[in-house]
Amino acid sequence: EAGVTQFPSHSVIEKGQTVTLRCDPISGHDNLYWYRRVMGKEIKFLLHFVKESKQDESGMPNNRFLAERTGGTYSTLKVQPAELEDSGVYFCASSQDRGTFIDTQYFGPGTRLTVL
Amino acid sequence: AQSVTQLGSHVSVSEGALVLLRCNYSSSVPPYLFWYVQYPNQGLQLLLKYTSAATLVKGINGFEAEFKKSETSFHLTKPSAHMSDAAEYFCAVSPRMDTGRRALTFGSGTRLQVQP
Repeated sequence: EAGVTQFPSHSVIEKGQTVTLRCDPISGHDNLYWYRRVMGKEIKFLLHFVKESKQDESGMPNNRFLAERTGGTYSTLKVQPAELEDSGVYFCASSQDRGTFIDTQYFGPGTRLTVL
Repeated sequence: AQSVTQLGSHVSVSEGALVLLRCNYSSSVPPYLFWYVQYPNQGLQLLLKYTSAATLVKGINGFEAEFKKSETSFHLTKPSAHMSDAAEYFCAVSPRMDTGRRALTFGSGTRLQVQP
């Protein structure tokens, strides 16, 4: 079974440009999460999809970030326009929905974003 | 609000020595607790999780953690370190009450070095 995959693995862009990150969850996982780790700090939650709906977007830093999950499969996270402080590693995770909330979140390898 | 504190951003042990990575949480209600590990160039992998069954939780690769409510701690241990244990370790919590929120709150991570 394939794990969570993320694309690209690295992205280097200039301030003001747009970047789109993609996450493919484990097949059959209805829950999809985005997290971010800014250099040297803790991993922070951004948002949570259940299928195609945003269940919780309390961690989204501002309106330059747009997450979508059309059709309830893969998700994209767009940053437009990118700022220097957006640099970091963006992780995606997915989990099944068995009616409990101790379902394990499985993480992808992350996308390292560098904004120059 | 929940928070997680990991004491020691870097821990170095000799091969064969005891590994002890510390995690303390702050929550009005004991949360679910997790330890994740990130090996170089890989995603986060679940080591173990506490969900209110036994307070001593055994995980993969010989790791275990003990939930101590009186100390609000969930320290990770391994009796004998192996070179392959070198990685970054993250303690995380999620809320117990089903508010629909499933966001993990992470500590800042502890990088474990194993010396030959």
